[in-house]
Amino acid sequence: DGGITQSPKYLFRKEGQNVTLSCEQNLNHDAMYWYRQDPGQGLRLIYYSQIVNDFQKGDIAEGYSVSREKKESFPLTVTSAQKNPTAFYLCASSPRTGGIATNEKLFFGSGTQLSVL
Amino acid sequence: ILNVEQSPQSLHVQEGDSTNFTCSFPSSNFYALHWYRWETAKSPEALFVMTLNGDEKKKGRISATLNTKEGYSYLYIKGSQPEDSATYLCAFPTGGGNKLTFGTGTQLKVEL
Repeated sequence: DGGITQSPKYLFRKEGQNVTLSCEQNLNHDAMYWYRQDPGQGLRLIYYSQIVNDFQKGDIAEGYSVSREKKESFPLTVTSAQKNPTAFYLCASSPRTGGIATNEKLFFGSGTQLSVL
Repeated sequence: ILNVEQSPQSLHVQEGDSTNFTCSFPSSNFYALHWYRWETAKSPEALFVMTLNGDEKKKGRISATLNTKEGYSYLYIKGSQPEDSATYLCAFPTGGGNKLTFGTGTQLKVEL
Protein backbone atom coordinates (compact mmCIF):
# COMPACT_ATOMS: atom_id res chain seq x y z
CA ASP A 1 0.00 0.00 0.00
CA GLY A 2 1.34 3.41 -0.93
CA GLY A 3 1.36 6.07 1.68
CA ILE A 4 3.17 8.17 4.23
CA THR A 5 4.56 6.60 7.39
CA GLN A 6 5.36 8.67 10.43
CA SER A 7 7.14 7.30 13.46
CA PRO A 8 7.00 7.13 16.35
CA LYS A 9 3.34 7.74 17.13
CA TYR A 10 4.23 9.17 20.55
CA LEU A 11 7.52 10.76 21.57
CA PHE A 12 8.72 12.27 24.81
CA ARG A 13 11.50 14.82 24.98
CA LYS A 14 13.59 15.67 27.99
CA GLU A 15 14.74 19.19 28.67
CA GLY A 16 17.68 20.16 26.43
CA GLN A 17 17.33 17.11 24.23
CA ASN A 18 17.09 16.98 20.43
CA VAL A 19 14.59 14.51 19.02
CA THR A 20 13.96 13.39 15.44
CA LEU A 21 10.59 12.58 13.91
CA SER A 22 10.61 10.25 10.95
CA CYS A 23 8.57 10.67 7.75
CA GLU A 24 8.82 8.21 4.87
CA GLN A 25 6.71 8.10 1.70
CA ASN A 26 6.53 5.51 -1.07
CA LEU A 27 4.31 7.57 -3.34
CA ASN A 28 7.22 8.86 -5.43
CA HIS A 29 6.18 12.41 -4.56
CA ASP A 30 8.54 15.30 -5.15
CA ALA A 31 7.29 17.70 -2.47
CA MET A 32 7.15 17.03 1.28
CA TYR A 33 5.98 19.19 4.19
CA TRP A 34 6.01 19.32 7.98
CA TYR A 35 3.11 20.88 9.86
CA ARG A 36 2.51 21.44 13.55
CA GLN A 37 -0.89 21.51 15.22
CA ASP A 38 -1.64 23.08 18.59
CA PRO A 39 -5.06 23.01 20.24
CA GLY A 40 -7.31 25.76 18.86
CA GLN A 41 -4.93 26.58 16.05
CA GLY A 42 -4.75 25.58 12.42
CA LEU A 43 -1.95 23.57 10.89
CA ARG A 44 1.19 25.71 10.75
CA LEU A 45 3.98 25.00 8.28
CA ILE A 46 7.42 24.32 9.74
CA TYR A 47 9.51 23.34 6.71
CA TYR A 48 8.92 22.10 3.19
CA SER A 49 11.00 20.52 0.47
CA GLN A 50 10.29 20.63 -3.23
CA ILE A 51 13.14 18.40 -4.34
CA VAL A 52 15.94 16.26 -2.94
CA ASN A 53 18.72 18.21 -1.21
CA ASP A 54 16.61 21.37 -1.07
CA PHE A 55 14.23 22.69 1.58
CA GLN A 56 12.69 26.00 2.66
CA LYS A 57 11.58 27.44 5.97
CA GLY A 58 7.89 27.65 6.60
CA ASP A 59 6.13 30.03 8.96
CA ILE A 60 7.47 28.65 12.25
CA ALA A 61 10.90 27.15 11.46
CA GLU A 62 12.78 28.43 14.53
CA GLY A 63 13.99 25.58 16.73
CA TYR A 64 13.57 22.96 14.01
CA SER A 65 15.82 21.45 11.34
CA VAL A 66 15.21 19.08 8.42
CA SER A 67 17.10 17.18 5.76
CA ARG A 68 16.07 15.73 2.39
CA GLU A 69 18.83 13.36 1.36
CA LYS A 70 16.46 10.90 -0.26
CA LYS A 71 13.25 11.52 -2.18
CA GLU A 72 11.25 9.27 0.11
CA SER A 73 12.46 10.62 3.45
CA PHE A 74 12.04 13.99 5.18
CA PRO A 75 12.99 13.76 8.88
CA LEU A 76 12.30 16.64 11.26
CA THR A 77 14.57 17.35 14.23
CA VAL A 78 13.11 19.30 17.13
CA THR A 79 16.11 20.95 18.74
CA SER A 80 16.60 22.15 22.30
CA ALA A 81 16.14 25.69 20.95
CA GLN A 82 12.44 24.96 20.44
CA LYS A 83 11.06 26.11 23.79
CA ASN A 84 7.51 24.92 23.31
CA PRO A 85 7.76 21.64 21.41
CA THR A 86 4.64 19.94 22.79
CA ALA A 87 2.35 19.55 19.78
CA PHE A 88 1.02 17.14 17.18
CA TYR A 89 3.27 16.95 14.10
CA LEU A 90 1.98 16.00 10.67
CA CYS A 91 4.04 15.14 7.60
CA ALA A 92 2.55 15.49 4.14
CA SER A 93 3.52 15.12 0.51
CA SER A 94 2.29 16.14 -2.92
CA PRO A 95 3.19 14.72 -6.33
CA ARG A 96 4.87 17.69 -8.01
CA THR A 97 6.56 20.88 -6.97
CA GLY A 98 3.92 23.59 -7.15
CA GLY A 99 1.22 21.03 -7.90
CA ILE A 100 -0.91 22.15 -4.95
CA ALA A 101 -1.47 25.42 -6.80
CA THR A 102 -3.18 23.61 -9.64
CA ASN A 103 -5.23 20.51 -8.99
CA GLU A 104 -3.07 18.36 -6.72
CA LYS A 105 -3.90 17.56 -3.11
CA LEU A 106 -1.76 16.91 -0.06
CA PHE A 107 -1.42 13.37 1.30
CA PHE A 108 -0.89 13.17 5.07
CA GLY A 109 0.73 10.76 7.48
CA SER A 110 -0.91 9.75 10.76
CA GLY A 111 1.13 12.12 12.90
CA THR A 112 3.46 12.11 15.91
CA GLN A 113 2.44 13.51 19.29
CA LEU A 114 5.47 15.07 20.95
CA SER A 115 5.39 15.83 24.66
CA VAL A 116 7.96 17.27 27.04
CA LEU A 117 8.87 15.32 30.19
CA ILE B 1 1.48 35.35 6.51
CA LEU B 2 -1.70 35.44 4.45
CA ASN B 3 -4.77 34.64 6.53
CA VAL B 4 -7.32 31.96 5.78
CA GLU B 5 -10.38 32.37 8.00
CA GLN B 6 -12.99 29.72 8.72
CA SER B 7 -16.36 30.03 10.42
CA PRO B 8 -17.92 28.89 12.56
CA GLN B 9 -15.21 27.46 14.80
CA SER B 10 -17.49 24.61 15.87
CA LEU B 11 -20.94 23.33 15.08
CA HIS B 12 -23.29 20.83 16.68
CA VAL B 13 -26.13 19.54 14.49
CA GLN B 14 -28.66 16.75 14.69
CA GLU B 15 -28.57 13.75 12.37
CA GLY B 16 -30.38 14.63 9.15
CA ASP B 17 -29.72 18.37 9.39
CA SER B 18 -28.05 20.11 6.49
CA THR B 19 -25.23 22.46 7.34
CA ASN B 20 -22.66 24.72 5.76
CA PHE B 21 -19.47 26.49 6.72
CA THR B 22 -17.36 29.24 5.24
CA CYS B 23 -13.74 29.71 4.26
CA SER B 24 -12.44 33.22 3.49
CA PHE B 25 -9.13 33.75 1.74
CA PRO B 26 -7.23 36.58 0.05
CA SER B 27 -8.75 37.24 -3.38
CA SER B 28 -5.47 38.44 -4.90
CA ASN B 29 -2.91 35.98 -6.32
CA PHE B 30 -5.40 33.13 -6.31
CA TYR B 31 -4.14 29.68 -7.27
CA ALA B 32 -6.49 27.11 -5.77
CA LEU B 33 -8.61 26.40 -2.70
CA HIS B 34 -8.37 23.08 -0.86
CA TRP B 35 -10.86 21.42 1.51
CA TYR B 36 -9.77 18.59 3.84
CA ARG B 37 -11.66 16.44 6.34
CA TRP B 38 -9.85 15.38 9.52
CA GLU B 39 -11.56 12.70 11.57
CA THR B 40 -10.36 11.98 15.09
CA ALA B 41 -7.45 9.52 15.22
CA LYS B 42 -7.10 9.55 11.43
CA SER B 43 -5.04 11.50 8.89
CA PRO B 44 -6.53 14.53 7.14
CA GLU B 45 -7.94 13.59 3.73
CA ALA B 46 -8.59 15.82 0.76
CA LEU B 47 -12.20 16.48 -0.17
CA PHE B 48 -11.82 18.99 -2.99
CA VAL B 49 -9.24 21.10 -4.79
CA MET B 50 -10.97 23.96 -6.58
CA THR B 51 -9.30 26.26 -9.07
CA LEU B 52 -11.93 28.12 -11.10
CA ASN B 53 -14.21 30.96 -10.05
CA GLY B 54 -17.77 29.65 -9.84
CA ASP B 55 -16.54 26.07 -9.54
CA GLU B 56 -18.84 23.63 -7.74
CA LYS B 57 -17.66 20.21 -6.63
CA LYS B 58 -19.64 17.34 -5.13
CA LYS B 59 -18.72 14.14 -3.33
CA GLY B 60 -21.74 12.22 -2.09
CA ARG B 61 -23.63 14.45 0.34
CA ILE B 62 -20.83 17.01 0.51
CA SER B 63 -20.46 19.85 -1.96
CA ALA B 64 -18.42 23.03 -2.20
CA THR B 65 -18.60 26.29 -4.11
CA LEU B 66 -15.92 28.84 -4.90
CA ASN B 67 -15.96 32.61 -5.41
CA THR B 68 -12.43 33.79 -6.17
CA LYS B 69 -13.40 37.41 -6.83
CA GLU B 70 -14.76 37.96 -3.34
CA GLY B 71 -12.49 35.40 -1.67
CA TYR B 72 -14.78 32.79 -0.15
CA SER B 73 -15.76 29.15 -0.43
CA TYR B 74 -18.72 27.36 1.13
CA LEU B 75 -18.81 23.70 2.13
CA TYR B 76 -22.26 22.12 2.36
CA ILE B 77 -23.25 18.83 3.97
CA LYS B 78 -26.74 17.59 3.14
CA GLY B 79 -28.47 15.30 5.63
CA SER B 80 -25.60 15.12 8.15
CA GLN B 81 -24.72 11.71 9.56
CA PRO B 82 -22.67 10.86 12.68
CA GLU B 83 -19.81 9.72 10.41
CA ASP B 84 -19.58 13.30 9.10
CA SER B 85 -18.27 14.37 12.52
CA ALA B 86 -14.80 15.74 11.88
CA THR B 87 -12.80 18.93 11.57
CA TYR B 88 -13.10 20.50 8.13
CA LEU B 89 -10.05 22.47 7.02
CA CYS B 90 -9.63 24.79 4.10
CA ALA B 91 -6.23 25.77 2.75
CA PHE B 92 -4.83 28.27 0.27
CA PRO B 93 -1.55 27.99 -1.68
CA THR B 94 0.94 30.71 -0.77
CA GLY B 95 4.68 31.20 -1.28
CA GLY B 96 4.27 31.39 -5.04
CA GLY B 97 1.95 28.41 -4.92
CA ASN B 98 4.49 26.08 -3.34
CA LYS B 99 3.02 25.72 0.16
CA LEU B 100 -0.43 25.50 1.74
CA THR B 101 -1.66 27.87 4.44
CA PHE B 102 -4.47 26.34 6.47
CA GLY B 103 -7.41 27.89 8.29
CA THR B 104 -8.15 26.93 11.89
CA GLY B 105 -10.94 24.60 10.82
CA THR B 106 -14.60 24.05 11.62
CA GLN B 107 -15.24 21.24 14.08
CA LEU B 108 -18.52 19.49 13.24
CA LYS B 109 -20.29 17.14 15.61
CA VAL B 110 -23.38 15.32 14.36
CA GLU B 111 -25.55 13.93 17.14
CA LEU B 112 -28.16 11.19 16.96
